[in-house]
Amino acid sequence: AQSVTQLDSQVPVFEEAPVELRCNYSSSVSVYLFWYVQYPNQGLQLLLKYLSGSTLVKGINGFEAEFNKSQTSFHLRKPSVHISDTAEYFCAVRAKNTGFQKLVFGTGTRLLVSP
Amino acid sequence: DVKVTQSSRYLVKRTGEKVFLECVQDMDHENMFWYRQDPGLGLRLIYFSYDVKMKEKGDIPEGYSVSREKKERFSLILESASTNQTSMYLCASSSPGAHEQYFGPGTRLTVT
Repeated sequence: AQSVTQLDSQVPVFEEAPVELRCNYSSSVSVYLFWYVQYPNQGLQLLLKYLSGSTLVKGINGFEAEFNKSQTSFHLRKPSVHISDTAEYFCAVRAKNTGFQKLVFGTGTRLLVSP
Repeated sequence: DVKVTQSSRYLVKRTGEKVFLECVQDMDHENMFWYRQDPGLGLRLIYFSYDVKMKEKGDIPEGYSVSREKKERFSLILESASTNQTSMYLCASSSPGAHEQYFGPGTRLTVT
């Protein structure tokens, strides 16, 4: 079984400041890793994913994440945030080599960007 | 663009009522999912389906059932709604072998 921990339930930050949203996971098998974003009153959309290869992955809207296997982490970063980045961010994992696409989500981190 | 639509954005029902939440996707996806989203708990999988008339329980199926009579439509049914089923319900779809799930906008259900 897999589990995902997002330690920060809320991260306040000023506009144009850098931000890091933390994600740690636990799994007995290899996993794929994802970050989804949920803007107010909307469903989730994929921000970025790690499947294999380079451990630094780039996503939409200037976000990137780094997979660290030894620390079982997949932290999300952006060097300079905008007001429009205010949203809830979910980290998720999925076991590799399974026939089905079951995602296990973390509890979410609310990013609050203020002027 | 992939589109996943849900029949209602907001729904208010009374305890004991039978509730139907409908989800339709327009991308011919085989896989469809129902999640429940609660503050501090994230998203939890209720049921999923990988083909017409096929369904599998997720992590929290108690109190729910599903129906998939057509490929594009996946319904979540609350046989007898209870107040602890007040939540945001999200539907998603994907194709086999793909890594992205596409989500609908959600239905916020309140059971009074």
